[in-house]
Amino acid sequence: DTGVSQNPRHKITKRGQNVTFRCDPISEHNRLYWYRQTLGQGPEFLTYFQNEAQLEKSRLLSDRFSAERPKGSFSTLEIQRTEQGDSAMYLCASSGGGREAGVDEQFFGPGTRLTVL
Amino acid sequence: SQQGEEDPQALSIQEGENATMNCSYKTSINNLQWYRQNSGRGLVHLILIRSNEREKHSGRLRVTLDTSKKSSSLLITASRAADTASYFCPHNTNAGKSTFGDGTTLTVKP
Repeated sequence: DTGVSQNPRHKITKRGQNVTFRCDPISEHNRLYWYRQTLGQGPEFLTYFQNEAQLEKSRLLSDRFSAERPKGSFSTLEIQRTEQGDSAMYLCASSGGGREAGVDEQFFGPGTRLTVL
Repeated sequence: SQQGEEDPQALSIQEGENATMNCSYKTSINNLQWYRQNSGRGLVHLILIRSNEREKHSGRLRVTLDTSKKSSSLLITASRAADTASYFCPHNTNAGKSTFGDGTTLTVKP
């Protein structure tokens, strides 16, 4: 087990295009989180899943954003009709049930850096 | 604005000195965590302290929690250049999201 992984690590796209990111959590972790981080600021919560159920969504998650976790393992975050303001680092984290830590500790992936031109 | 507030925003010290950063929050919490983030990288989990704990140690790190003041502190002793990073103290009010502030940027000069 190598921790939380995210793909791609970098994505450059043109305004108006759709992009999809993938997150593979630590195996056996039943909770998965998505955050967005812009330069000089802390991560902002977007959404989280418990198994395959999406339990909470931030108001930041406009209708252009959608996240799925179909089998309760990996998750995808899709942004439709990207805008320049979507440029940010998108971070995924997982927690719960892992052998490493208690229930509430979140382990973060390296992030996907999105640049919208 | 974010709920968690780290203080100071920036801290610069010499290698070998201790670094203390503080964190405040506004609501009742289940736990509070400290993370480190090197420039442009992901977050590394340092310590989790639960609401019924007052102090916790891990190597050169010491975390305190005062729920009556809704505040926490992180002390890094004998700092090293490799400790240069941003430090965050998100807190959880339930099993869901962590609420982050904008962090303390620590610079340790060799």
